[in-house]
Amino acid sequence: EPEVTQTPSHQVTQMGQEVILRCVPISNHLYFYWYRQILGQKVEFLVSFYNNEISEKSEIFDDQFSVERPDGSNFTLKIRSTKLEDSAMYFCASTSSRGANLYEQYFGPGTRLTVT
Amino acid sequence: QKEVEQNSGPLSVPEGAIASLNCTYSDRVSQSFFWYRQYSGKSPELIMSIYSNGDKEDGRFTAQLNKASQYVSLLIRDSQPSDSATYLCAVKGNFNKFYFGSGTKLNVKP
Repeated sequence: EPEVTQTPSHQVTQMGQEVILRCVPISNHLYFYWYRQILGQKVEFLVSFYNNEISEKSEIFDDQFSVERPDGSNFTLKIRSTKLEDSAMYFCASTSSRGANLYEQYFGPGTRLTVT
Repeated sequence: QKEVEQNSGPLSVPEGAIASLNCTYSDRVSQSFFWYRQYSGKSPELIMSIYSNGDKEDGRFTAQLNKASQYVSLLIRDSQPSDSATYLCAVKGNFNKFYFGSGTKLNVKP
């Protein structure tokens, strides 16, 4: 069964450094998403991406963040100048956005980001 | 601020019983609703979606939607210890933005 994959599973970085989190969405899906979940808190929407551009973003997704689909398979989240409060689990998700299962999102296993 | 509210629980039910999980949402224009299961330390796993008022059944799971009351629920029949997890309600707002509740923790006791 197709699945969303994410790398790395765990990233440790020092405050102020830049990190890139990588995702490979399900191959025939059209919409891609990044979410954040701080330990013990709710899943928070960061950004949605369609047709090679951002379709929606949350208040969290400020100039520190950017997304890119550099090729036909990868979808990346870049976090510049990381802060302690960026420590969280980051999930990538994708949807086919077609047919009866409109907008059903399938999540990757997540990348745990630890900023020290 | 669009909100999705869930009782945090824990909700404890004995094995074989029906577990009932509830969710309310604030954005009246929302049209798409989802239930996810999340085991500790894992990613959300889609259980089912619902888009129209009424019930939708999939195996042991039934989702119920009442748009007039802005209420979504999930029933789990014949609950199993493996169903013990946190259940997340998610709502699609305008455009392509999603809002998640904080989740209800379910404990199914053998």
